[in-house]
Amino acid sequence: GQQVMQIPQYQHVQEGEDFTTYCNSSTTLSNIQWYKQRPGGHPVFLIQLVKSGEVKKQKRLTFQFGEAKKNSSLHITATQTTDVGTYFCTRNNAGNMLTFGGGTRLMVKP
Amino acid sequence: DTAVSQTPKYLVTQMGNDKSIKCEQNLGHDTMYWYKQDSKKFLKIMFSYNNKELIINETVPNRFSPKSPDKAHLNLHINSLELGDSAVYFCASSQNFEAFFGQGTRLTVV
Repeated sequence: GQQVMQIPQYQHVQEGEDFTTYCNSSTTLSNIQWYKQRPGGHPVFLIQLVKSGEVKKQKRLTFQFGEAKKNSSLHITATQTTDVGTYFCTRNNAGNMLTFGGGTRLMVKP
Repeated sequence: DTAVSQTPKYLVTQMGNDKSIKCEQNLGHDTMYWYKQDSKKFLKIMFSYNNKELIINETVPNRFSPKSPDKAHLNLHINSLELGDSAVYFCASSQNFEAFFGQGTRLTVV
């Protein structure tokens, strides 16, 4: 299936700093989803974006879908230690198979 | 009530053995999946299965086989285990777009 690329792979931030992870596809996406996996845990669904240019917010998290529907970003304002984890973007391939990006591992220093 | 449950949580076994991991979902979802997460946290889709269709990621060795006795269960059988099979295996289910993951099974082949 088609891949999605995520950058950066790792990000260390001081608590209170902002954080952004980016997801890019070489082909147009029908939708994109974001998941969070805490250390030792399992992926948990955060959100799905469908429309071109769509922006959705969940408290300190802002999700954006690019106008061309080939990229997406997740921005966290004023990170907290509870934000620690790996953030994945995913795309749907044939047969409703979710293909995950490589993930961005966020570490927050208190 | 756990939505997607998998057993065992930990599995340590010797090379060459055959083992199974069980997965059950009580969400009434039509589609179930198996994912493999390696030490670098990369999540790779292995299988997607609903009551009509099995989709296999072509890169998965045929030593791995999913078995679904009914819609709520998708077990993973692995024959002739190899060292490289050591990873965390996640079962998941979905109805539309949001996937619900089990807690994972950490498989260690020694």
